[in-house]
Amino acid sequence: EAGVAQSPRYKIIEKRQSVAFWCNPISGHATLYWYQQILGQGPKLLIQFQNNGVVDDSQLPKDRFSAERLKGVDSTLKIQPAKLEDSAVYLCASSPRGAGGNNEQFFGPGTRLTVL
Amino acid sequence: GDSVTQMEGPVTLSEEAFLTINCTYTATGYPSLFWYVQYPGEGLQLLLKATKADDKGSNKGFEATYRKETTSFHLEKGSVQVSDSAVYFCALLGGSEKLVFGKGTKLTVNP
Repeated sequence: EAGVAQSPRYKIIEKRQSVAFWCNPISGHATLYWYQQILGQGPKLLIQFQNNGVVDDSQLPKDRFSAERLKGVDSTLKIQPAKLEDSAVYLCASSPRGAGGNNEQFFGPGTRLTVL
Repeated sequence: GDSVTQMEGPVTLSEEAFLTINCTYTATGYPSLFWYVQYPGEGLQLLLKATKADDKGSNKGFEATYRKETTSFHLEKGSVQVSDSAVYFCALLGGSEKLVFGKGTKLTVNP
C-alpha cells in the first residue's frame, strides 16, 4: 500500500514570496491533516479535513495560510506571503475516518521550508 | 488545554543500554496516548499506543504503560540498537480530538 505522498521535499524562498505544498493521502482515507513542525518542537495541527470539508482550522493563520481539498482526495497548503517564522517542516497525515482514539494517523515525509 | 511534557534531549547511549524517555501529560477526561518515532529523513511513524489506564503498548521491543495516577506514559526499551537512533515524540488524543505532541527527544545510539 502506498503511503502519504508530499511534494516538494524541500523549498527555499525569500520572505514575502508565495509557496504551495501538495499532499496525496493514502487511498480511501477520509481524513487529512496538515501539521507545522518548527525545529525543536513537536508537530502542531494547522488544519483537518473530513473528505472535502474543513473540520478544524482553529490554529491556521488565515491571514497568510490557506488550504483546500477540493475533490476530497489530495490537498494543497499555501502560504502567501511567507514570513521568516514560517520556516518549518510541513507534515501531511491521513487517517481512515475521524480522529478517534483507534484511528491511526499515517504521516508523509514532510516538506522542509526555509524562508530567507 | 491539553499538553504533553517529555524529557529534554538529546539522549546518547551505547548499544545494549537501557532506555527510558519520560513523558507526562495534562488533559481533561481520558485521553489516548501515543509514542511516534521519526527516523532521519522520514515521516512520523506510530510506535505504540495505549487507549485506557493501565494499558501497556509495545512494539519492536519498546514498551510504555498508561499510568493515570501519575499522568505518565514513559517509553522504555531494555536493550537499544544503533538502528533505534531517531527522534521520539509522545502525544495524546483528548477531548478536542486533536493530536497534541511533546517537543520530541532525540536518541543517538553508538556502537
